[in-house]
Amino acid sequence: DIQMTQSPSSVSASVGDRVTITCRASQGISSWLAWYQQKSGKAPKRLIYAASSLQSGVPARFSGSGSGTDFTLTISSLQPEDFATYYCQQANSFPFTFGPGTKVDIK
Amino acid sequence: QLQLQESGPGLVKPSETLSLTCTVSGGSISSSSYYWGWIRQPPGKGLEWIGSIYYSGSTFYNPSLKSRVTISVDTSKSQFSLKVSSVTAADTAVYYCARHDSSVWTFDYWGQGTLVTVSS
Repeated sequence: DIQMTQSPSSVSASVGDRVTITCRASQGISSWLAWYQQKSGKAPKRLIYAASSLQSGVPARFSGSGSGTDFTLTISSLQPEDFATYYCQQANSFPFTFGPGTKVDIK
Repeated sequence: QLQLQESGPGLVKPSETLSLTCTVSGGSISSSSYYWGWIRQPPGKGLEWIGSIYYSGSTFYNPSLKSRVTISVDTSKSQFSLKVSSVTAADTAVYYCARHDSSVWTFDYWGQGTLVTVSS
């Protein structure tokens, strides 16, 4: 199985801050990666697919980059509704695996 | 707008079989472009993919659960189902059904999730 790691595990930030979350795969996955946002008690919501493609309807302040083993999710200017947990997921091979999550909370 | 809705018992006894159904509305479960999957999340923990099915019945399972899991599809009812046998407390989780496409293989539509507790 491909193992996914994320850093940091949590980050405290203020509205307007730039936030960067890193995801690393245990082996190369090309661009087969997605990012999800999950708010408390809700289902995950896909933000980014194919490492850098923005899901329709998702604000442009979210962006993804990377390929191979190292990926980044950036929120350019954090908004109040962005406080949530973020997960990466590899789609390179079965079984699909998720990172452990990064919680973004209010500083 | 595509919608997915999980249904099934919220409480299952240890050693019994957990059964859930996902009903798809607002779109066709028989589309050749999509697979239909199950993901679970234990309370306070991360996400685990359980398995996926194509409308034709082809399945992919997580090896960690494969011996206990069966996913099936009923296109006439626009539903797909999950069965997990011999459950233990470790199977207590919120279970989500979701759609993923066959091009980028990530989950674009999710159900709201249903909590299943394994307890006597």
